[in-house]
Amino acid sequence: EAQVTQNPRYLITVTGKKLTVTCSQNMNHEYMSWYRQDPGLGLRQIYYSMNVEVTDKGDVPEGYKVSRKEKRNFPLILESPSPNQTSLYFCASSKRRSGTSGTLAQETQYFGPGTRLLVL
Amino acid sequence: AQSVTQLDSQVPVFEEAPVELRCNYSSSVSVYLFWYVQYPNQGLQLLLKYLSGSTLVESINGFEAEFNKSQTSFHLRKPSVHISDTAEYFCAVSEGAAGNKLTFGGGTRVLVKP
Repeated sequence: EAQVTQNPRYLITVTGKKLTVTCSQNMNHEYMSWYRQDPGLGLRQIYYSMNVEVTDKGDVPEGYKVSRKEKRNFPLILESPSPNQTSLYFCASSKRRSGTSGTLAQETQYFGPGTRLLVL
Repeated sequence: AQSVTQLDSQVPVFEEAPVELRCNYSSSVSVYLFWYVQYPNQGLQLLLKYLSGSTLVESINGFEAEFNKSQTSFHLRKPSVHISDTAEYFCAVSEGAAGNKLTFGGGTRVLVKP
C-alpha cells in the first residue's frame, strides 16, 4: 500500500530537549516536504527536498533542521524545541515536477497522518 | 508570491442543504489549484484538483469546484451535504515556477447539523 508514515504520532516534550520526527514514504518519490498546521493559518511549509541531499527552506524554517540521506526518509529535527513549536506537523511526498508544467503524478502530494507535538 | 484566502473560517450547515466554500488566490503566473479535506483527527486527503482543461472539476463524493481565472477563485460546492462531510477543508495553490510547493489557505471548518 502506497503511504507516508510518521513517527511518533503524539509527543510531549520540554523546552530544549532535542527531538526528531521521522517521515518515510514507499512510493519512490523525489519530492518531500514538512508542514506545520496551526489554527487559522492553514498549513505552512517548513522545509522541502527535491531529491537526496537536496533540501531548502520553506516559509517557516526557523528552529528546524532536516536531512535527506535516503530517498524514502526525510526526518524533521528540532534541536532545541520551544513552546511556539507546539503544533501539528505533516510530512508529504510526490513525484518531482521537472519544469513549469506538471503531470497528474507530479501534482498529487500524499500526506502522512500527522504528528501532534506539545512543547512545555 | 502566491497567497490563498479562504473567506470563511467556519460554516455551519444543515444536513441535505447546499454548501459553498470560498477560495481566492493571488499569483502572477499560472497556477494549479487543489482542495484538501481533513476529517477529525486525520491527515489531509486530496478532494479534487484543477491542472488544466475544463474549469469545472468534480470529486467522487459529490463536491465540485470551478476555476475562475478572471476572479482568481476556486470555490468548492456541494448541492446536498451529509453528516459525514463534517471536516476542515483547505484550498491550496501550486505555482508552475515554484516546483511542488503548496501554499494553503487558513482552512474552513464545516459542521453539518442534523
